Amino acid sequence: QKEVEQNSGPLSVPEGAIASLNCTYSDRGSQSFFWYRQYSGKSPELIMFIYSNGDKEDGRFTAQLNKASQYVSLLIRDSQPSDSATYLCAVHSGGGADGLTFGKGTHLIIQP
Amino acid sequence: EPEVTQTPSHQVTQMGQEVILRCVPISNHLYFYWYRQILGQKVEFLVSFYNNEISEKSEIFDDQFSVERPDGSNFTLKIRSTKLEDSAMYFCASSEVRESGELFFGEGSRLTVL
Repeated sequence: QKEVEQNSGPLSVPEGAIASLNCTYSDRGSQSFFWYRQYSGKSPELIMFIYSNGDKEDGRFTAQLNKASQYVSLLIRDSQPSDSATYLCAVHSGGGADGLTFGKGTHLIIQP
Repeated sequence: EPEVTQTPSHQVTQMGQEVILRCVPISNHLYFYWYRQILGQKVEFLVSFYNNEISEKSEIFDDQFSVERPDGSNFTLKIRSTKLEDSAMYFCASSEVRESGELFFGEGSRLTVL
């Protein structure tokens, strides 16, 4: 059974600070890793993906991957109130599989 | 910006009734998916579809579910005999590349089974 675990939160961060979101996964053969943002009542929206160990930066977002520890994280710099949402970690196992395995998400609240 | 569109946005049905949820994927995408999210729970993969056939399905996608691409634009999910536990938000998604997690989701169809 492939599992993706996230702290459900809520994680409360002051505006302008760095928000750090974490995710662990059980399938050591997982190939690619995704962060989706989901506003309440809305659909998931892809914000970052990472395939290789290390860091990947895109604007205010940095994804970090450590395959040895089976750990993925997302950093949001200069957090804004509009970043308040649930952040979903998703993992793709590759090897012919199509479906993503999602975590339950971390609810992030940016305090103005 | 291209988007995935879904109809209806909300459907209420009686247990045992058939439901069809419709999706129009992004026009140049070739891979289509259905996911569902029960209220307060995680997003769960149901099925993927490519070249007019199912590529992969999860354990959730049992015999009461079916998918179809009846024409060049629509992609449908049919639930033959709905159960109370089918109440969820159903998301259609599409991607350009197979085995890609870079999905574009529609806004979802909320299904309420009474």
